[in-house]
Amino acid sequence: EDKVVQSPLSLVVHEGDTVTLNCSYEVTNFRSLLWYKQEKKAPTFLFMLTSSGIEKKSGRLSSILDKKELFSILNITATQTGDSAVYLCAVDSNYQLIWGAGTKLIIKP
Amino acid sequence: DSGVTQTPKHLITATGQRVTLRCSPRSGDLSVYWYQQSLDQGLQFLIQYYNGEERAKGNILERFSAQQFPDLHSELNLSSLELGDSALYFCASSATSVYNEQFFGPGTRLTVL
Repeated sequence: EDKVVQSPLSLVVHEGDTVTLNCSYEVTNFRSLLWYKQEKKAPTFLFMLTSSGIEKKSGRLSSILDKKELFSILNITATQTGDSAVYLCAVDSNYQLIWGAGTKLIIKP
Repeated sequence: DSGVTQTPKHLITATGQRVTLRCSPRSGDLSVYWYQQSLDQGLQFLIQYYNGEERAKGNILERFSAQQFPDLHSELNLSSLELGDSALYFCASSATSVYNEQFFGPGTRLTVL
């Protein structure tokens, strides 16, 4: 059975800290891995990764995929209170997204 | 704003009733996906349509059904509602099924009393 596991489930840090969120997966037919950010509304797309070892970067956020070890990490540097959200990882397997449970990130001022 | 619209925004109804949720995908997107998210729960994939045809099915109950119309909008029908069906229902769309970058609508919050 396809599964996506995110860790930690919850994380509380202070503003300015750097955080690393993890996503590991076991799927039958990997096509891509996606990261989303969900605040008190709909998830918004952050990154899509298809190739191993290539970092995607957007401002203070970056992500990398390791297809050999079957995981991805999402890094957020110099965190701000506006980064507080649930971060969701999803893997496209056979054209269907398998979602992780999310990591709830709380940034304290 | 993702370009995906959903109506209604909120819906309050009683057990045993039937409701219809509506979704309009982004302009040009052919795929529509429906998700259920209960309180503090992850996203549960329900069903996907691509250009009017059912493409994939997830954990969708038999009491639920969906369709995608020729103009590509989609409706999710929930019948014989139970208290446990109270949740946020999201619609998402993507251009094709080749790479699954999905854009989410604002959701419909369903409360079953």
